[in-house]
Amino acid sequence: KAGVTQTPRYLIKTRGQQVTLSCSPISGHRSVSWYQQTPGQGLQFLFEYFSETQRNKGNFPGRFSGRQFSNSRSEMNVSTLELGDSALYLCASSLWRGEGETQYFGPGTRLLVL
Amino acid sequence: QQQVKQSPQSLIVQKGGISIINCAYENTAFDYFPWYQQFPGKGPALLIAIRPDVSEKKEGRFTISFNKSAKQFSLHIMDSQPGDSATYFCAASSKSSGDKLTFGTGTRLAVRP
Repeated sequence: KAGVTQTPRYLIKTRGQQVTLSCSPISGHRSVSWYQQTPGQGLQFLFEYFSETQRNKGNFPGRFSGRQFSNSRSEMNVSTLELGDSALYLCASSLWRGEGETQYFGPGTRLLVL
Repeated sequence: QQQVKQSPQSLIVQKGGISIINCAYENTAFDYFPWYQQFPGKGPALLIAIRPDVSEKKEGRFTISFNKSAKQFSLHIMDSQPGDSATYFCAASSKSSGDKLTFGTGTRLAVRP
């Protein structure tokens, strides 16, 4: 089985722009979560989607949004980029939701905001 | 508010030694405690996980010890190898939070040959 794939792997944007990142979960997995990883703040939860519905949201401003499609693929969008949004954005998928389901992480998209 | 505190920040161990990483949590609703291993340029990968109904879980050279009353859990890597050199994250989640993982700050482990 192919693992979690994320595209693009690297991205450079300038302040004020917006960006869309894509995540394809492991085949058959229905839950997708997104995390931001930075040297200063570590791994922080952004949001979780299951059956095309956002089930949980972290403490990030409204500029961060996401969605999930009927095939479980997910996208996250960041509008009006700020320098502090530079980070590794990780997507994780699990077969079901909660109850200690193993989450499998993708390699991440490294976003640099100039 | 940091809900999962991890220490040490970095660790150097000789090959064959024991690596020990500790985590402490505050939220008593947490009921699932995984450890992740991350190599540079890769996403975190699940190493081993434990639930609070057991005090210890062992998988190969990796052991989690769990102390519910102290709200602490630790990862022990026996016979540490240079290939174990990576960043390790403890994490926690609760039934009510679905798949949301709260991570510790990470420990950078270097195993010297």
